[in-house]
Amino acid sequence: NAGVTQTPKFRVLKTGQSMTLLCAQDMNHEYMYWYRQDPGMGLRLIHYSVGEGTTAKGEVPDGYNVSRLKKQNFLLGLESAAPSQTSVYFCASSYITGPGNTIYFGEGSWLTVV
Amino acid sequence: KQEVTQIPAALSVPEGENLVLNCSFTDSAIYNLQWFRQDPGKGLTSLLLIQSSQREQTSGRLNASLDKSSGRSTLYIAASQPGDSATYLCAVIHAQAGTALIFGKGTTLSVSS
Repeated sequence: NAGVTQTPKFRVLKTGQSMTLLCAQDMNHEYMYWYRQDPGMGLRLIHYSVGEGTTAKGEVPDGYNVSRLKKQNFLLGLESAAPSQTSVYFCASSYITGPGNTIYFGEGSWLTVV
Repeated sequence: KQEVTQIPAALSVPEGENLVLNCSFTDSAIYNLQWFRQDPGKGLTSLLLIQSSQREQTSGRLNASLDKSSGRSTLYIAASQPGDSATYLCAVIHAQAGTALIFGKGTTLSVSS
């Protein structure tokens, strides 16, 4: 039972490079999310998706793009990485929204932009 | 805008103590409130979920309460153990904001043996 899997786990990028973080879930969840976690800032929502083919902006979307071509995958792209995007990125998924919603998180992806 | 605050930011206790972690939120229109545990270098593990219609949830030595009207939740940990050392995060789903969790910054707990 894999749950939510993120790849890669660690990555070092040079300023201006691009990369894609992959999130995969095997629970048939409709909702998927990308968060970033920074010291002193807590977790902040970057983008989210409420179903295959849909995406929406969260609290801090600038500098990121996302795609949800398949229900089980949610990709987070950095087109031109900046040092301010050095962070730990967490993907999460849930079956439904509302009072009974339980959200499951991946193990995180550590990204350093130099 | 919904804001979630956790107090204290850090807490150190000797093994065996009972302790309370606090979480407050500014808008009472929430679907639910969740408490998570995060170990260093790891992801988040859901501990307890309290739906908006509920007052508390219990799991083992953990008890979480919810007072929507006052915008407060507490996580009670009984008979703390060194293995409880971690960061504890509180998060709410705002009923009008849709689907995503809004997190507090966490309380880092250290239990010494």
